[in-house]
Amino acid sequence: DSGVTQTPKHLITATGQRVTLRCSPRSGDLSVYWYQQSLDQGLQFLIQYYNGEERAKGNILERFSAQQFPDLHSELNLSSLELGDSALYFCASSVGVITYEQYFGPGTRLTVT
Amino acid sequence: KNQVEQSPQSLIILEGKNCTLQCNYTVSPFSNLRWYKQDTGRGPVSLTIMTFSENTKSNGRYTATLDADTKQSSLHITASQLSDSASYICVVTASGGSYIPTFGRGTSLIVHP
Repeated sequence: DSGVTQTPKHLITATGQRVTLRCSPRSGDLSVYWYQQSLDQGLQFLIQYYNGEERAKGNILERFSAQQFPDLHSELNLSSLELGDSALYFCASSVGVITYEQYFGPGTRLTVT
Repeated sequence: KNQVEQSPQSLIILEGKNCTLQCNYTVSPFSNLRWYKQDTGRGPVSLTIMTFSENTKSNGRYTATLDADTKQSSLHITASQLSDSASYICVVTASGGSYIPTFGRGTSLIVHP
């Protein structure tokens, strides 16, 4: 158990819908990362927050947005869902940024039908 | 374009044998290189993190090497165990403002008894 929690574990929804994935980092970690893992693309970095502020942005679609709240938990919002958005979404946390070890959560499996 | 290539794509070895996984990258400017172990359907677990000045780092039976001049890294697994069966992912992070990680597609390792 990494100490990072993600909810829900599984999510099945239809195309065009909007969902919210939630992540609680390890106690004491200020940085939260979101990743997407699909069979055809592998793992991809989406976005990073540090202490409530966006720190780095990767291959995140405009239909996707995220935020980190004052209690440091984070949410990833996915809207206008397409079949291709079906994937495992991981959240990770670390104490700081750059070279600190990242601890991954168990992931949320999103299926868009 | 930043890229990370891993080889072999898959590998089957007998329990107790050693093996070496390769990672070549074109990420620039370089910040750090990480190796992760990922069991099927679970979040990646960090094995090693290396910065530019480090050329070797160990974590138990796992030893990673880094040659920043040739932009190559390897992960050596000693005395393999059945529990080593997993995907091993190389991640290289660029520096220069936003620290964006680029993921390799991973090497799938199967250890047979």
